[in-house]
Amino acid sequence: QQPVQSPQAVILREGEDAVINCSSSKALYSVHWYRQKHGEAPVFLMILLKGGEQKGHEKISASFNEKKQQSSLYLTASQLSYSGTYFCGTESYNTDKLIFGTGTRLQVFP
Amino acid sequence: NAGVTQTPKFRILKIGQSMTLQCTQDMNHNYMYWYRQDPGMGLKLIYYSVGAGITDKGEVPNGYNVSRSTTEDFPLRLELAAPSQTSVYFCASSKQGFGSGANVLTFGAGSRLTVL
Repeated sequence: QQPVQSPQAVILREGEDAVINCSSSKALYSVHWYRQKHGEAPVFLMILLKGGEQKGHEKISASFNEKKQQSSLYLTASQLSYSGTYFCGTESYNTDKLIFGTGTRLQVFP
Repeated sequence: NAGVTQTPKFRILKIGQSMTLQCTQDMNHNYMYWYRQDPGMGLKLIYYSVGAGITDKGEVPNGYNVSRSTTEDFPLRLELAAPSQTSVYFCASSKQGFGSGANVLTFGAGSRLTVL
C-alpha cells in the first residue's frame, strides 16, 4: 500500500524551515527519501533504517519512528536549490519492493 | 560513467501499437527496476529484476513485459498500447537489493510516452 505524504505542497521563502511527513500502514524496515527537480530524474537523499536514527544531507535531516511507521524530513534554512518534489519510499518486512509516496512539492522563493 | 541510459527520450504511439523502451546500465548493478510516473503523481513499480534471467512483477505490471538476458540491459515492452499507458517511464538500478538497508536507486533520465 502506498505511503501517504503530507503536506502535498509547501511554499517557502529562502531561509525558512519545512517538515515533510511520510506515513505507512505497514510495518517498515526502512524509509528512503528522494528529490526530483522538474523534468529530471529522482535523486537519492538518504535511507533511514529501523532504530529511529536520524541522518543528514546538506541542511536536510530526517527521522524514522518505526513504531509509528512514520518518517519526517526536515529542511532547515531552505535554499532556492531545495525546490522540487520530495518522495518517500518505504520497504516493508518480507517484501522485496520499494513503494513510493505521492510526493510533496516544495517551492522556495527569494 | 554513463550510469543508467534510457532510450528513446520521447515517443508517440498510436493505440494498439507496440514498442520497447530500452534501459542499460554500466555500473555492474544486479538489481534493475522500471517505474512509471503519471503527471503530479508518485512512482509506481512496474517490474523489477534481481539479476540476469530473473524478473518479477511490481505494483502495476499489466500491459507490460520485461526480460533480463544480461546484467546491463533491462528492456520494457509495451504490447497493444493504450491511452492509460501515457506516462513518464523511469528505469533504475541498484547495487544492493531490498532489505539490505543500502539499495540506493540510480535513475535514468526517463522516457516520455504518449499514446493517442
